[in-house]
Amino acid sequence: GQQVMQIPQYQHVQEGEDFTTYCNSSTTLSNIQWYKQRPGGHPVFLIQLVKSGEVKKQKRLTFQFGEAKKNSSLHITATQTTDVGTYFCAGTETSGSRLTFGEGTQLTVNP
Amino acid sequence: DTAVSQTPKYLVTQMGNDKSIKCEQNLGHDTMYWYKQDSKKFLKIMFSYNNKELIINETVPNRFSPKSPDKAHLNLHINSLELGDSAVYFCASSQRGGLAGFGGEQYFGPGTRLTVT
Repeated sequence: GQQVMQIPQYQHVQEGEDFTTYCNSSTTLSNIQWYKQRPGGHPVFLIQLVKSGEVKKQKRLTFQFGEAKKNSSLHITATQTTDVGTYFCAGTETSGSRLTFGEGTQLTVNP
Repeated sequence: DTAVSQTPKYLVTQMGNDKSIKCEQNLGHDTMYWYKQDSKKFLKIMFSYNNKELIINETVPNRFSPKSPDKAHLNLHINSLELGDSAVYFCASSQRGGLAGFGGEQYFGPGTRLTVT
């Protein structure tokens, strides 16, 4: 079945440093979504990418979808303590309808 | 207004008991899900219903039985609880998640933290 892998599993940064999490799928995706889960909270939808090579920005967050539509990344510039949480990617196979979540990257930001 | 609500928020119970978790969404979505999140934060899909019809049933012990009385509700009943069932259970809903198209963005409930002692 489809597998979506995310690295790293954990990342500790100093406030102000940049952060990137990577997502790789074993199969070609029709779309990729990103979610953020704050400690003690629930996953919250951030964005969806659909086109090959697509890049979208939300303030300090930059999301990319690979040309082959099998990988994606989330980059945060100049992290803040409010960025703390677990970031999940989730993708849907081109041949299917199920959204498969990656294992998540837990980000901690030291002030 | 809460979009996806779950009750209870916390559930502490002993091994062997039977318990239920309820979920309701007021977003008018067609598809609802149950996820299990373990201590490592892995989100594993358990079940998905589209318009009250079961469309995803992962390898989950048959002690877990979902029920969808209507498309706004998806409940989860667990029989003979075991220690390994301890986790956070999330309900979610989406507008596009059926067999016809790719999954739309999912809206999660606040979660139910189940502790089995």
